Amino acid sequence: GAGVSQSPSNKVTEKGKDVELRCDPISGHTALYWYRQSLGQGLEFLIYFQGNSAPDKSGLPSDRFSAERTGGSVSTLTIQRTQQEDSAVYLCASIQSQGVGTEAFFGQGTRLTVV
Amino acid sequence: GQQVMQIPQYQHVQEGEDFTTYCNSSTTLSNIQWYKQRPGGHPVFLIQLVKSGEVKKQKRLTFQFGEAKKNSSLHITATQTTDVGTYFCAGSKNFNKFYFGSGTKLNVKP
Repeated sequence: GAGVSQSPSNKVTEKGKDVELRCDPISGHTALYWYRQSLGQGLEFLIYFQGNSAPDKSGLPSDRFSAERTGGSVSTLTIQRTQQEDSAVYLCASIQSQGVGTEAFFGQGTRLTVV
Repeated sequence: GQQVMQIPQYQHVQEGEDFTTYCNSSTTLSNIQWYKQRPGGHPVFLIQLVKSGEVKKQKRLTFQFGEAKKNSSLHITATQTTDVGTYFCAGSKNFNKFYFGSGTKLNVKP
């Protein structure tokens, strides 16, 4: 595809349910980030994948959050037993390779609402 | 750990006034990037600075990278309503993982 694709674009779920958010990065991009953005707030780092290296999970807020990146491409962010404070826009960004002249391309995000 | 601090958090200006946002790091950066997020949109890349003391311009926008490569600024001359949005800096060390600043939300009153 031409850009980073995220699905679903909107998700409303009941408190306590599990959700899966998907990110399709630009083909060939080796680095992938997940961020969370609450209304009117900044970007909260969640997790970072770089090539075949072990992911940097230092931003995951609790053990209810996990993420995978299969085959170095598609990534899935899973939130178990969702809570109302998980409501936010979840943004995915991919980078061709970490180095000079590379920029992060963001997807449109998934707006998660926990009711 | 490495942190990138950004100020101010909010800025309200009258159209035609100038605007500046500042980004500061506790450690020396290899490079710094700037992004703009329009209301309801996602961050979009504006520019990257790599060299110590580097200055780049894009029309009314001027970007600077400090001599010590620990700070950066974005200055907008004569703001327009189209400049409304949140501006983020993102720094990295050794061209590795990016650390985003908290962003500066700019509101321009016509």
